[in-house]
Parts: sequence; structure tokens; C-alpha cells
Amino acid sequence: AQRVTQPEKLLSVFKGAPVELKCNYSYSGSPELFWYVQYSRQRLQLLLRHISRESIKGFTADLNKGETSFHLKKPFAQEEDSAMYYCALRVGGNTGKLIFGQGTTLQVKP
Amino acid sequence: DTAVSQTPKYLVTQMGNDKSIKCEQNLGHDTMYWYKQDSKKFLKIMFSYNNKELIINETVPNRFSPKSPDKAHLNLHINSLELGDSAVYFCASRGQGRGTGELFFGEGSRLTVL
Repeated sequence: AQRVTQPEKLLSVFKGAPVELKCNYSYSGSPELFWYVQYSRQRLQLLLRHISRESIKGFTADLNKGETSFHLKKPFAQEEDSAMYYCALRVGGNTGKLIFGQGTTLQVKP
Repeated sequence: DTAVSQTPKYLVTQMGNDKSIKCEQNLGHDTMYWYKQDSKKFLKIMFSYNNKELIINETVPNRFSPKSPDKAHLNLHINSLELGDSAVYFCASRGQGRGTGELFFGEGSRLTVL
């Protein structure tokens, strides 16, 4: 079955602390994974994708096929990072169907 | 110059009514989607159209009927609304080609059924 799991509904850290938002997936094919972010009163938008191997706003995520994970990390959280984060798995080839995890709310306290 | 726009943003209606939500994208994308975000913020795909053709139809009650008059528009019509239909509905679009998995989302339409 195709599934994305984000075990934490809420992650609360202090400014400057490291952050790791967990994501695990279940997919028999070659996975294509993404992190999307929804800031307060803004639309859902792409944060980063695993094929780009990029760092966006200080965030990185490494695909670990052995552990079927794609955790999102940032060494030093900022208050403006507070948002809802969704991990997503693309399946179905060209249909581009994205399966989202349940989402994790990141709260960065001053 | 909004990329993906939905109307209305808010919709409050009574059970049993029929309502529509409209979506338009000016990105020139071929594929459009409807997602439902429930009260627990869980995002679930409902439908997808590629060049006006239905390509994804998840297990959604047939009271929901998408319509794509052209590839820039994907509307969602809901008949006989029920309390459980209350949610935020997101429209999204995507360009073609591998490696372009990015979805561009609208701001969402919050539907409240009383």
C-alpha cells in the first residue's frame, strides 16, 4: 500500500534549537518525495524535493531507502519556520498523484 | 497574476443544498487536482484531470462531480451537501514532464455545511 506517515502532529522547539520532522513512506516503486509547507494564512507551497538535493531556508531532507524515510532537518530553528509541514510521495507516474502525510505543525518559540 | 485561484474562499450553506467551487490556473499546466483537507488537516486527493480528461478518481461519493471545461479550469460541484463535507478544498495544478512533481496550490475554499 502507498502511504506516508508523519508520526508527530505537533513539534514544539525553542528558537535556535535543531529541528527534525519525521516522515516515513511505504511504496513498492521508486519513490519521489517532497516536503510542502503551509505558513499561516498562506497557500501550501513546495519547500524541497529529494531529487534536487537542495537546502531551502536552511532545511534539508535526505532520502533513506533502507529506512524508507525522508526526514526534514534544520540545525537552528527560527520563529518564521513556524508552519504546517507536509511530507508527500509522488506515485502513479505521469498522473503526478501526490499522497500526503498527516502533517506536522512546527511551533518555534522565542 | 495569481497562479491558481479558487472561488469562493468561504462558503456556508445548509445540508441538502448543491454548491460549486471554481478553480482557474494561468500557468499553462495540463494537469489539475482537487484535494480535501479535513478538520484534522489531513490532505486527501479527490480528483485529477489532464487536458480535460479525468485521470484520477479516488473513492469519493458520486455527489461530487468535477468538470473541466478547458485545461485551465477545474470546477467541483457537490450535490446534496452533508455535514461531513465541511472541509477546506484545495485546487492544484502541475506542469508536464518528469521532475516537475511540484504542485501549485490555490488558497483553498472553506466549506461549512450547517
